[in-house]
Amino acid sequence: DIQMTQSPSTLSASVGDRVTITCRASQSISTWLAWYQQKPGKAPKLLLYDVSSLQSGVPSRFSGSGSGTEFTLTINSLQPDDFATYYCQQYNTYTWSFGQGTKMELK
Amino acid sequence: EVQLLESGGGLVQRGGSLRLSCAASGFNISRQAMIWVRQAPEKGLEWVSTISASGGSIYYADSVKGRFTISRDNSKNTLYLQMNSLRAEDTAVYYCAKVAFALLRPFDYWGQGTLVTVSS
Repeated sequence: DIQMTQSPSTLSASVGDRVTITCRASQSISTWLAWYQQKPGKAPKLLLYDVSSLQSGVPSRFSGSGSGTEFTLTINSLQPDDFATYYCQQYNTYTWSFGQGTKMELK
Repeated sequence: EVQLLESGGGLVQRGGSLRLSCAASGFNISRQAMIWVRQAPEKGLEWVSTISASGGSIYYADSVKGRFTISRDNSKNTLYLQMNSLRAEDTAVYYCAKVAFALLRPFDYWGQGTLVTVSS
């Protein structure tokens, strides 16, 4: 099975900051990677798929990059609504897997 | 508008059974792959099971294989998860979600989740 590892686990940032979260796969997943945002008590929300394609309605301050085994999610000019937990997910194989999550906290 | 509404969660004793339902609206589940994902308290997301659009392909995480069964009733536009031989570590919020377009794609719509608590 493919293991997904995110770093950092927690990220302290301020409104207006540019932040980056890293996700590493235990083996190549090409570009079959998505990012989700989850707020407390809510279901996850799809932000990006195929590494860098924005889901409909997602603000353009969210962007993604990478291929193979290393990927990044970048949020430009962090907004108050962005403080949440973020998960990467691979869909390269029939055993879908998520990273452990990165919690974005207000500094 | 696509909506998914889970139900059937609750408190069950270890070794017991529960059946979760996921009622879909705004799309036809017979044309979409569907999945279950769970989240233990204060933990991350764990994929549980997937059923293809045709129903001909079904996949399970090793942690639930042999105990859980995914199915659907196209006439009711509803997805199910039959959970048997429940363990304390199955305690989680269970989400159903729709897979976007094809089997190996991300999950674009999610339900609000239903809580399953397994007591020992």
